Amino acid sequence: DAGITQSPRHKVTETGTPVTLRCHQTENHRYMYWYRQDPGHGLRLIHYSYGVKDTDKGEVSDGYSVSRSKTEDFLLTLESATSSQTSVYFCAISELKETQYFGPGTRLLVL
Amino acid sequence: AQSVTQLDSQVPVFEEAPVELRCNYSSSVSVYLFWYVQYPNQGLQLLLKYLSGSTLVKGINGFEAEFNKSQTSFHLRKPSVHISDTAEYFCAVSGMDSSYKLIFGSGTRLLVRP
Repeated sequence: DAGITQSPRHKVTETGTPVTLRCHQTENHRYMYWYRQDPGHGLRLIHYSYGVKDTDKGEVSDGYSVSRSKTEDFLLTLESATSSQTSVYFCAISELKETQYFGPGTRLLVL
Repeated sequence: AQSVTQLDSQVPVFEEAPVELRCNYSSSVSVYLFWYVQYPNQGLQLLLKYLSGSTLVKGINGFEAEFNKSQTSFHLRKPSVHISDTAEYFCAVSGMDSSYKLIFGSGTRLLVRP
């Protein structure tokens, strides 16, 4: 299995508070991704990174920001959490463009 | 842009029976195709992938899939399922262009009954 960890694994927060999720990899892969998983929607891409300090938006990026200051870490920030951001968040990595490997996920509940 | 349709949200099947999970895609460029499996409360695990070459792809746990370009399909099959195959299965597509993005279907829950 690819060396991907996510922290925290579970989080409960209140509406309006900032939240940061961390994805850490030990594979030295170039590409990193953040997805959210909601019932009936599969996984949807939030943001991705194609190198240190190089990031771009996915299909559901509103309300989220990301940063990648080191190859191994990719942070997802909810500047002001809303109930609609309650979801399961997955990080993925890839070295080549085509095959992505996923982390264990973070369950976020926004009250 | 690409899109993926998994027509069946849930497929119940008896143990040792064969199963087919359907996946259709649309794309204006050539694609890479994937099947992932998600067991309860876990992340996604790659089952198999089609990048090029033979259209019949074999994956882990006895699963296989066939790429059919004319029908834009990539159906997943297993000749005999086990209780342990109960999980959610996701089909995904990535365009062979400058995009790095995987587009997922909404998933099919395979429920294997004894």
